[in-house]
Amino acid sequence: QVQLVQSGAEVKKPGASVKVSCKASGYTFTSYDINWVRQATGQGLEWMGWMNPNSGNTGYAQKFQGRVTMTRNTSISTAYMELSSLRSEDTAVYYCARRTGDEGLDYWYFDLWGRGTLVTVSS
Amino acid sequence: QSVLTQPPSASGTPGQRVTISCSGSSSNIGSNTVNWYQQLPGTAPKLLIYSNNQRPSGVPDRFSGSKSGTSASLAISGLQSEDEADYYCAAWDDSLNGRWVFGGGTKLTVL
Repeated sequence: QVQLVQSGAEVKKPGASVKVSCKASGYTFTSYDINWVRQATGQGLEWMGWMNPNSGNTGYAQKFQGRVTMTRNTSISTAYMELSSLRSEDTAVYYCARRTGDEGLDYWYFDLWGRGTLVTVSS
Repeated sequence: QSVLTQPPSASGTPGQRVTISCSGSSSNIGSNTVNWYQQLPGTAPKLLIYSNNQRPSGVPDRFSGSKSGTSASLAISGLQSEDEADYYCAAWDDSLNGRWVFGGGTKLTVL
């Protein structure tokens, strides 16, 4: 079954870091970029960045530069998103999403999403 | 403040046709394709339309998308109660070294 399975909910104190995992199954993990998108309660979707599981190359949204790190372990088909210096505004559901599309026709989209990981930042 | 602009709400009665707009700029919708996602309450977003007007397998043909210039639209015909959800448009934006941008979301209510 093609799916992305994310790690469980986390509660962190301000200033701490959190590392969320996203395990891919049912497809070749290294063939598709993984993106991370977050959603605060009652709010819209916010893109955080992407990672190429084959090369390890990454690209981060300017807002998160210096605070986010996206990595992977290809031996277990798992992507990770680590966010540091947490503050209350980082309380949100974090989603991983697979990017697919057509390079020749130059269109891309997120066709597969994880179920989300709730990260709560509270003192 | 989202980069793409959507109306915060829309509504319709069963069987009606509703449209949701998404307005952007030359660096996103004007130069890249638009995708639409449906998010039912308490669930992850689900791909609804990709590349402006393409439906993934399994998405009913009641859903259609279009794009013109720097704007896009999602149309839902034959509205059903199960269509009540949040809808988001998204596009790649060529500014700031490239980034994905989303609309703020439109909450669709089936009356």
